[in-house]
Amino acid sequence: GAVVSQHPSWVICKSGTSVKIECRSLDFQATTMFWYRQFPKQSLMLMATSNEGSKATYEQGVEKDKFLINHASLTLSTLTVTSAHPEDSSFYICSAGQGPYGYTFGSGTRLTVV
Amino acid sequence: DAKTTQPTSMDCAEGRAANLPCNHSTISGNEYVYWYRQIHSQGPQYIIHGLKNNETNEMASLIITEDRKSSTLILPHATLRDTAVYYCIVRVDGTASKLTFGTGTRLQVTL
Repeated sequence: GAVVSQHPSWVICKSGTSVKIECRSLDFQATTMFWYRQFPKQSLMLMATSNEGSKATYEQGVEKDKFLINHASLTLSTLTVTSAHPEDSSFYICSAGQGPYGYTFGSGTRLTVV
Repeated sequence: DAKTTQPTSMDCAEGRAANLPCNHSTISGNEYVYWYRQIHSQGPQYIIHGLKNNETNEMASLIITEDRKSSTLILPHATLRDTAVYYCIVRVDGTASKLTFGTGTRLQVTL
């Protein structure tokens, strides 16, 4: 079946530094990937749509200069949280689709900014 | 994408069937009904989807009303491992069609 790998599973970083999260489709090619953010006890909020070979499409209210997305190949998308602050602490999840069976999600990355 | 309405929470005894309802009264003709679940601190997991016919797989059954304005996800024999938040989502087909999550139903399976 379709597998999406996300790395790292958790990361702690200092305020002001940048953090990169990787999302890989292991057994299929994904021209489109999605990035979500989830705060405790809340639902998933779509941040952006990552498009292979072109610019990402960001949802309203999401700062594109703060959340840099790169989708340089058909199997890899990265999300970089730049100049991270404590309010960026959250659970970040990526997903990609394969055929008619809906999307497969990564296991998520828990980011803690201290 | 059409919006969905789900109860905030439900309880179910282990071994019994869990019936999770979802209202999607503004669903369009080309929109599918998808169900995902999220176990605590994990990424969502696909369960099942359908357009207008009832569907069944190894995880669950999906019952869609004839007017397609509502649906029910059925877990036939709930176990403790089925405790999760269940999301009902309607979307058009296609891998570039984004998924928008609502608040979902928190299902608690108890002994």
